[in-house]
Amino acid sequence: DTAVSQTPKYLVTQMGNDKSIKCEQNLGHDTMYWYKQDSKKFLKIMFSYNNKELIINETVPNRFSPKSPDKAHLNLHINSLELGDSAVYFCASLTSGTGGTEAFFGQGTRLTVV
Amino acid sequence: AQTVTQSQPEMSVQEAETVTLSCTYDTSESNYYLFWYKQPPSRQMILVIRQEAYKQQNATENRFSVNFQKAAKSFSLKISDSQLGDTAMYFCAFLDGNKLVFGAGTILRVKS
Repeated sequence: DTAVSQTPKYLVTQMGNDKSIKCEQNLGHDTMYWYKQDSKKFLKIMFSYNNKELIINETVPNRFSPKSPDKAHLNLHINSLELGDSAVYFCASLTSGTGGTEAFFGQGTRLTVV
Repeated sequence: AQTVTQSQPEMSVQEAETVTLSCTYDTSESNYYLFWYKQPPSRQMILVIRQEAYKQQNATENRFSVNFQKAAKSFSLKISDSQLGDTAMYFCAFLDGNKLVFGAGTILRVKS
């Protein structure tokens, strides 16, 4: 069973379009994240949710809007896509249980804006 | 704000040899977590090793070990008996509360 799953894995779209990336975790974790990995592989935190509440918003343009309908899901909607939005987007969830603290990542969504 | 610095953009090592990847971080907190994640070409993020700041003993996981120097805010990763499958991007990461911040990464190439 996939612990953190993102859909789609690949997304090619034109400038100006609106698109969504979905993320689901079946681990029962309270905290979830969205990261953007640019062409230089730098991982930048975008948002973090804890039990459906937004707790971190890292100066991301308003065109990016996360939504958490429940604590197992964290979706990312992007309006008016720009060329600079092309990147790999990772969803992750965080556990701090008795097994240790660890972030589990989805497989990433490669977004290409043309 | 917490920052994580990896000063080595790229490293190479011969198969079966040992290599050390550097990481420093900046924080005013006393309780936090540190991690090394590996990202192979498949782009999957894989946890290599983790360290709780309150533990003085350095973490080890098979061929992977860390040198955690809390006062110096240093957290280096040592890979022993390097294998071709270790070729990947390695990220150092810092967790304070719920904020998980990554360094810029080090590309490690293992040569046969």
